[in-house]
Amino acid sequence: NAGVMQNPRHLVRRRGQEARLRCSPMKGHSHVYWYRQLPEEGLKFMVYLQKENIIDESGMPKERFSAEFPKEGPSILRIQQVVRGDSAAYFCASSGTREYGTQYFGPGTRLTVL
Amino acid sequence: AQSVTQLGSHVSVSEGALVLLRCNYSSSVPPYLFWYVQYPNQGLQLLLKYTSAATLVKGINGFEAEFKKSETSFHLTKPSAHMSDAAEYFCAVGSGGGADGLTFGKGTHLIIQP
Repeated sequence: NAGVMQNPRHLVRRRGQEARLRCSPMKGHSHVYWYRQLPEEGLKFMVYLQKENIIDESGMPKERFSAEFPKEGPSILRIQQVVRGDSAAYFCASSGTREYGTQYFGPGTRLTVL
Repeated sequence: AQSVTQLGSHVSVSEGALVLLRCNYSSSVPPYLFWYVQYPNQGLQLLLKYTSAATLVKGINGFEAEFKKSETSFHLTKPSAHMSDAAEYFCAVGSGGGADGLTFGKGTHLIIQP
C-alpha cells in the first residue's frame, strides 16, 4: 500500500524559472495539504485542496504561488519566477477524512534556487 | 488562532534514560494534537495522535503522550531512550471540526548520548 508520493525529490532552479512540485496522495485519500519547511523551522501550512477545489489557501503567498488538485492526476504546487527565498523543503500530506483526519506526509521536495 | 510552543530546540539524553519532550498549545476550540518524527532528509512520520478520547495516548516505538487540558500541554515521553530515537520531533495542533492545516511547533532535536 503505497504512501504519499512526491516528485521530484530534489529540484534545482535558477532565479526567475518556474518550479512544479507533484504530490500523489495515498490510495483512497481525497484531501491534500501542502506545507513549507524553511531551515531550522517547523512546517508552515500553505494550502488545503480536495479534488478540483481549493478549500483553504490562507497560508499561500499572494503572488507567484498556485496549487491545483485535478480530477485525474496528482496535486501540483506551482511556483512562478522563483527567488532565492523560495528555497525550502515542500511537503505534501494526505488525509482520508475531513474531520479529525490524520495527515500522512510524503518525503518532500527539496527546492534549491540558485 | 492556534499556536504550538516546543520548549527546548535541542534535548540531549543518555541511552537508556527517560525522554521528555515538551509541547504546549493554544487553541480557541477543542484541539486535536499530534507528535511527528522526522529523520534527516525524510518526511514526517506519525508517532501518535490525540482526539479527545483517552488523555494518555500510546504511539509507536514506545512513545506516549499525555493531554493535560489544565496545563494546555501534550508532552511526549519514552521510558528508555535508544540510539535510533535520535531525530527531530514536531508537535502539531489541528482544530478538529474543520479541515484546517495543522499548526506545527518549531521542533525539538533529540540527541542520544551513548
